[in-house]
Amino acid sequence: EIVLTQSPATLSLSPGERATLSCRASQSVSTDLAWYQQKPGQAPRLLIYDASNRATGIPARFSGSGSGTDFTLTISSLEPEDFAVYYCQQSSDYTFGGGTKVEIK
Amino acid sequence: QVQLVESGGGVVQPGGSLRLSCAASGFTFRDYGMHWIRQAPGKGLEWVAVIWYDGTTKYYADSVKGRFTVSRDNSKNTLYLQMNSLRAEDTAVYYCARDYKSRLFDYWGQGSLVTVSS
Repeated sequence: EIVLTQSPATLSLSPGERATLSCRASQSVSTDLAWYQQKPGQAPRLLIYDASNRATGIPARFSGSGSGTDFTLTISSLEPEDFAVYYCQQSSDYTFGGGTKVEIK
Repeated sequence: QVQLVESGGGVVQPGGSLRLSCAASGFTFRDYGMHWIRQAPGKGLEWVAVIWYDGTTKYYADSVKGRFTVSRDNSKNTLYLQMNSLRAEDTAVYYCARDYKSRLFDYWGQGSLVTVSS
């Protein structure tokens, strides 16, 4: 089983700042990694797939990078609606990371 | 637009059974695989099960294998999750989600809460 470890658990930032979220896999997943955003009381939303491709309708301030075991989700300039929990997910057995909460500082 | 609406959640005693439904609209249901994913209160996401577009292939998480059964009725555009021998640790919001590229989840329902408690 591939384990995904996300860090940090919580990221405290102000609107307009850059957010950098990390996801590390216990073994190589090539580029088969996705990122989801979940706001309180809502279902998750697909942001990024295949490590770096934005899903339909996702703003350009969201970008993904990485391959193998180390991946990064970057939000270039935080908007108020971006404060949420972010999960990475790998596709070989559908597992998710534990999540990173991006909160307002 | 794509819509997924879960129903059937509620409170059930340990050892009991429950069946969730997910009504799909806004896309050709029979062309897509479908998933169930759950989230325990205050916790992260856990994939539960997948069923191929035609219902011929199904996979389950180890935590539910032998207790849960995923099925679908393409004539009714509906996905199901039959949950038997329920345990306290099955308490969660259960989401149905559409499969994308055979490995992702591109549309999600709003979720249905299942509480297993005596």
